[in-house]
Amino acid sequence: DAGVIQSPRHEVTEMGQEVTLRCKPISGHDYLFWYRQTMMRGLELLIYFNNNVPIDDSGMPEDRFSAKMPNASFSTLKIQPSEPRDSAVYFCASTPGVGHEKLFFGSGTQLSVL
Amino acid sequence: GESVGLHLPTLSVQEGDNSIINCAYSNSASDYFIWYKQESGKGPQFIIDIRSNMDKRQGQRVTVLLNKTVKHLSLQIAATQPGDSAVYFCAEKHLSGSARQLTFGSGTQLTVLP
Repeated sequence: DAGVIQSPRHEVTEMGQEVTLRCKPISGHDYLFWYRQTMMRGLELLIYFNNNVPIDDSGMPEDRFSAKMPNASFSTLKIQPSEPRDSAVYFCASTPGVGHEKLFFGSGTQLSVL
Repeated sequence: GESVGLHLPTLSVQEGDNSIINCAYSNSASDYFIWYKQESGKGPQFIIDIRSNMDKRQGQRVTVLLNKTVKHLSLQIAATQPGDSAVYFCAEKHLSGSARQLTFGSGTQLTVLP
């Protein structure tokens, strides 16, 4: 398996623009997570899905952030409108299911909002 | 809220020496602990985990020690190699808790000197 695949690897955009981050989890994994990593706050869980259903989105910072998982092999994290403080590395991770606590992370998307 | 923290933000070791990375946790209810390695430009990668019914667990060149009395966790890397240079994170949670309860520490930067 190729692992968790994220795109793009790098995104540079201007404040106010819409940003869409994409993730393909490992096939067969029932849980998908979106994390944000910054120097100041470390790794923060934004939202996670189980079987394509959002379970906990309490970490989503604002209404500007939204996430979807239309099927078992694809998820998006959208920021609209983007702001400079959204600059961070965004990771997607997946895990087989309950009892499987090890997260498999993608390589991340480095987002810079100018 | 309760947090997981690291004693040292940076650690430099000579190639071939053993490395010890420490982690303190404050949630006495945590019963599962995990170490991740994050190389530059990559996502965190699972190294080893341990449940609270164990004091020690060994992997390939790595050993995790858990001291529940003082709520301390350590990762030992034997014969440290240049490829071990990375940021190491500990994380903790209660196994019966939700995925949101997986709390990551702030990380320790390990640098292997030639």
